[in-house]
Amino acid sequence: ETGVTQSPTHLIKTRGQQVTLRCSSQSGHNTVSWYQQALGQGPQFIFQYYREEENGRGNFPPRFSGLQFPNYSSELNVNALELDDSALYLCASSFPGGADLTEAFFGQGTRLTVV
Amino acid sequence: DQQVKQNSPSLSVQEGRISILNCDYTNSMFDYFLWYKKYPAEGPTFLISISSIKDKNEDGRFTVFLNKSAKHLSLHIVPSQPGDSAVYFCAASPNSGGSNYKLTFGKGTLLTVNP
Repeated sequence: ETGVTQSPTHLIKTRGQQVTLRCSSQSGHNTVSWYQQALGQGPQFIFQYYREEENGRGNFPPRFSGLQFPNYSSELNVNALELDDSALYLCASSFPGGADLTEAFFGQGTRLTVV
Repeated sequence: DQQVKQNSPSLSVQEGRISILNCDYTNSMFDYFLWYKKYPAEGPTFLISISSIKDKNEDGRFTVFLNKSAKHLSLHIVPSQPGDSAVYFCAASPNSGGSNYKLTFGKGTLLTVNP
């Protein structure tokens, strides 16, 4: 049991709309990363938040944005939705700087469908 | 430009036999490698990891081998069990932790273990 929870689990939006996805990180984890997994692909890194600031970004346009809150939970916002944004969005939490190699723990994901 | 490649989309083995899943990478900066298992409708679950300073890491039935010169790693599952049936993702990171921790994933291999 990872302790990372995402909401909602499924979502259907219309092209051009905006969407907000939420993630509660595992207790004690101060770093949250977001990934997009398109059908038949591996997860692709969108961005990472560390102590409430964006700390690394993948090859995604600015209409993908995020927030991290003082309790380390996080939001992913996508504006001007496109059909290709349809995917499973995964949130992962980790605690960098620990003594051991830090694997990321994933939530169950939010399945976004854009129609 | 895929930096982490899993060239076998699927693998089928008999229960009790060995499963070998392969992964190749191109980025010499990758320093830390992980395997994740994913069941349908769930997020990826961490399985096992290896640092580039090692060539083997073992955890119960799971062993990961790393050949840095060939930029190749493999996951061995012995003995395979029907419950191991899932999609397995190979992932790599340029560091083992720290505040900038980004995973690059392969496309995954669907393992089916037949009773």
